[in-house]
Amino acid sequence: DAMVIQNPRYQVTQFGKPVTLSCSQTLNHNVMYWYQQKSSQAPKLLFHYYDKDFNNEADTPDNFQSRRPNTSFCFLDIRSPGLGDAAMYLCATSRGGTSGRTDTQYFGPGTRLTVL
Amino acid sequence: AQSVTQPDIHITVSEGASLELRCNYSYGATPYLFWYVQSPGQGLQLLLKYFSGDTLVQGIKGFEAEFKRSQSSFNLRKPSVHWSDAAEYFCAVVDSYSGAGSYQLTFGKGTKLSVIP
Repeated sequence: DAMVIQNPRYQVTQFGKPVTLSCSQTLNHNVMYWYQQKSSQAPKLLFHYYDKDFNNEADTPDNFQSRRPNTSFCFLDIRSPGLGDAAMYLCATSRGGTSGRTDTQYFGPGTRLTVL
Repeated sequence: AQSVTQPDIHITVSEGASLELRCNYSYGATPYLFWYVQSPGQGLQLLLKYFSGDTLVQGIKGFEAEFKRSQSSFNLRKPSVHWSDAAEYFCAVVDSYSGAGSYQLTFGKGTKLSVIP
């Protein structure tokens, strides 16, 4: 089945220790998104890639970076995690292009990040 | 920016009872609306979506939603709830369309559904 895969499902890191979260997709979608979801809150968009074009949300901290080496993979790098970065990180994809506003975002299962 | 309001933070229903989860949006033009469900520790699963046409939309797992422009609402319904429906439900609207084919989803804060056996 075509899907969005996130690894690892659970990640524990230490305060200030860099961490990388991974997302891959078999949908061959042009757009990949990263959301942060804190406990009992709505998902919040951090940034997204349309193909290789990176789009950062204005309020995304500089501590968060992303890489998309190819269509299938996208990484979220947190350079110096703080306690406030503990959250569920969700990856999503959408077809993009002429699909326009009628496109649908498909989400992965998420990575739960704990910062000690 | 658009906004989505889900007035009910937590709802408890008995198994077999009917369910309605409320969602109100603010958007000047025709909105593109979604309902997602999130089980504990899991990602978001798409239940249904509304883009245009018939205002009553059928989704997976027996859910449906009705778009009412006059009330700026897109409420989610299910005639008979099952224990496995216990989860958090998010309403979302398309926002900040880039024109190149990507867009931002604005989510409501979610409604947590508990089901009593």
